[in-house]
Amino acid sequence: AQKITQTQPGMFVQEKEAVTLDCTYDTSDPSYGLFWYKQPSSGEMIFLIYQGSYDQQNATEGRYSLNFQKARKSANLVISASQLGDSAMYFCAMREGLASGGSYIPTFGRGTSLIVHP
Amino acid sequence: DAGVIQSPRHEVTEMGQEVTLRCKPISGHNSLFWYRQTMMRGLELLIYFNNNVPIDDSGMPEDRFSAKMPNASFSTLKIQPSEPRDSAVYFCASSAGGKGTEAFFGQGTRLTVV
Repeated sequence: AQKITQTQPGMFVQEKEAVTLDCTYDTSDPSYGLFWYKQPSSGEMIFLIYQGSYDQQNATEGRYSLNFQKARKSANLVISASQLGDSAMYFCAMREGLASGGSYIPTFGRGTSLIVHP
Repeated sequence: DAGVIQSPRHEVTEMGQEVTLRCKPISGHNSLFWYRQTMMRGLELLIYFNNNVPIDDSGMPEDRFSAKMPNASFSTLKIQPSEPRDSAVYFCASSAGGKGTEAFFGQGTRLTVV
């Protein structure tokens, strides 16, 4: 079973509009971390935002916010006031489970390609 | 800190040749991960080290792939012999290891095997 599911292969948004990228996850561990990364066309993986499973508040980082719905196992990324530079692949990731040798392996979804139109 | 450093950035090699990818993690990070990214399979974990010890190599596709971490500041991923289907972007990432800590990625090595 997929640990991280991103159902939107591609999304389009008008510049200055908000956009929501979907992510659902599967875990039986009560303690886990959720992450979003951005991968522009240049290829690097850039960390955007983190949400802990016990965090009461939704995480926010500038124009990025994470809509965390724990009961639905959903961790959607919201980008407000989209900019042309937001065009990229976006990956949702999770760290959970028993520590294997002392660490928690990040597991990634397949990603969503976001294109921002002027 | 300069971040995770990978070399080379691009590698083009002929089928059958040995390829070695290199990674310098962020100082102080105790976990190191090698991922492979392709259009077909997305980001796949190949192997992970904790405190320089290989913990999980179940993602290594074949015996042609091997990885080492001789010390806390250096790791290699070797493919011998290389095949065209190994063409991909290979990422190295490091982290402090906890569930709440993000993994920091290198720039990746784009490998093309012809």
